[in-house]
Amino acid sequence: QVQLVESGGGVVQPGRSLTLSCAASGFIFSGYGMHWVRQAPGKGLEWVAVIWYDGSNKYYADSVKGRFTISRDNSKNTLFLQMNSLRADDTAVYYCATCGDDCYSGIEYWGQGTLVTVSS
Amino acid sequence: DIQVTQSPSSLSASVGDRVTITCRASQSINSYLNWFQQRPGKAPKLLIYAASSLQSGVPSRFSGSGSGTDFTLAISSLQPEDFATYYCQQSYSTPFTFGGGTNVEIK
Repeated sequence: QVQLVESGGGVVQPGRSLTLSCAASGFIFSGYGMHWVRQAPGKGLEWVAVIWYDGSNKYYADSVKGRFTISRDNSKNTLFLQMNSLRADDTAVYYCATCGDDCYSGIEYWGQGTLVTVSS
Repeated sequence: DIQVTQSPSSLSASVGDRVTITCRASQSINSYLNWFQQRPGKAPKLLIYAASSLQSGVPSRFSGSGSGTDFTLAISSLQPEDFATYYCQQSYSTPFTFGGGTNVEIK
């Protein structure tokens, strides 16, 4: 079965950097696009970024553009989110998730999330 | 960017009730509209994709309709496990925006 396990969350000071990882198993990782979606405490879902199955296309939410970078290593079945210049409003649970048949077909499988807290 | 407005933001209903949630996009998104359920402390779960296609394993009491700018999620007979928060999301163009959510509570 599809399994997505996020890691790398924690407490980080404003302005610092953090990299999240998402280990994928149970499906052909190199055949699927991947998303990052976040949820601030007590708030709704916010789409963050998407990467195509082969890494050829990457798109970002305006709120993270220029600060966050999505990437993947298909040889290691792993998705990454490099987060720079972190701000208090980046505090959230970060989920990795798979695209459907393509990335315009919704978000099919989700991990359980990793919490990032930006605080001094 | 495409804005997605969901209504109502919350509702109270009883087991067995029919419930509908609406989602409106700021421009036409054809049928690129998806619905998710999120229970407290859990990851979201895909219910409906492409406006009206039921995700595998999702009970048939859930249904989606609409195209263009106006969409609806219906639950035909609310069950105890359906009390949760529901989100719509447009996947027509990036950024793939979510609606603000609808919290379905027990009356």
